[in-house]
Amino acid sequence: GNSVTQMEGPVTLSEEAFLTINCTYTATGYPSLFWYVQYPGEGLQLLLKATKADDKGSNKGFEATYRKETTSFHLEKGSVQVSDSAVYFCALSLANTGKLIFGQGTTLQVKP
Amino acid sequence: DGGITQSPKYLFRKEGQNVTLSCEQNLNHDAMYWYRQDPGQGLRLIYYSQIVNDFQKGDIAEGYSVSREKKESFPLTVTSAQKNPTAFYLCASSEQGNNYGYTFGSGTRLTVV
Repeated sequence: GNSVTQMEGPVTLSEEAFLTINCTYTATGYPSLFWYVQYPGEGLQLLLKATKADDKGSNKGFEATYRKETTSFHLEKGSVQVSDSAVYFCALSLANTGKLIFGQGTTLQVKP
Repeated sequence: DGGITQSPKYLFRKEGQNVTLSCEQNLNHDAMYWYRQDPGQGLRLIYYSQIVNDFQKGDIAEGYSVSREKKESFPLTVTSAQKNPTAFYLCASSEQGNNYGYTFGSGTRLTVV
């Protein structure tokens, strides 16, 4: 079946540290891949996306590359800030319906 | 600006009561979705609708009901049959096709008192 697996959190980093949040997927066909961010008490916001293999999505210093050979879409940022503290969700979009399948979410805590 | 609006932001329900959560979008999106999120948990799909006057059950539809009479609106009713309704409810909408992702509302926090 179709599924998304994220690394378990919480991930705790000091300000300016390098961030990686792992995401792997299982899917039939050719899904699009997404990262969403959720700040406390709010809805989810689209952070970045990639629609085909080898595409790199980027936004606000975050990047993720669609790796078909390893079925991965890891989220990276070179230097995190306290304001990046949030829950991050990886998701895939089914080719035939557009419906999203979400991972469980990874909590990031950045300390000053 | 186009967007998706959920109301109210906070809602309190007495045991045995039905309550309805509002979700309205002006993005001209065909598809709409309702998710439930429990503390420290991921998202669980309750219902979704890909076109007006049609909707499908998600993974946890028991104790919930929806309607889709207008493209812009997808209200969710939490019935008394839902035994543990305290949660954060998120509504989302999307265009058809798999490249667009979802636009989310800001959520409604429902508490049973």
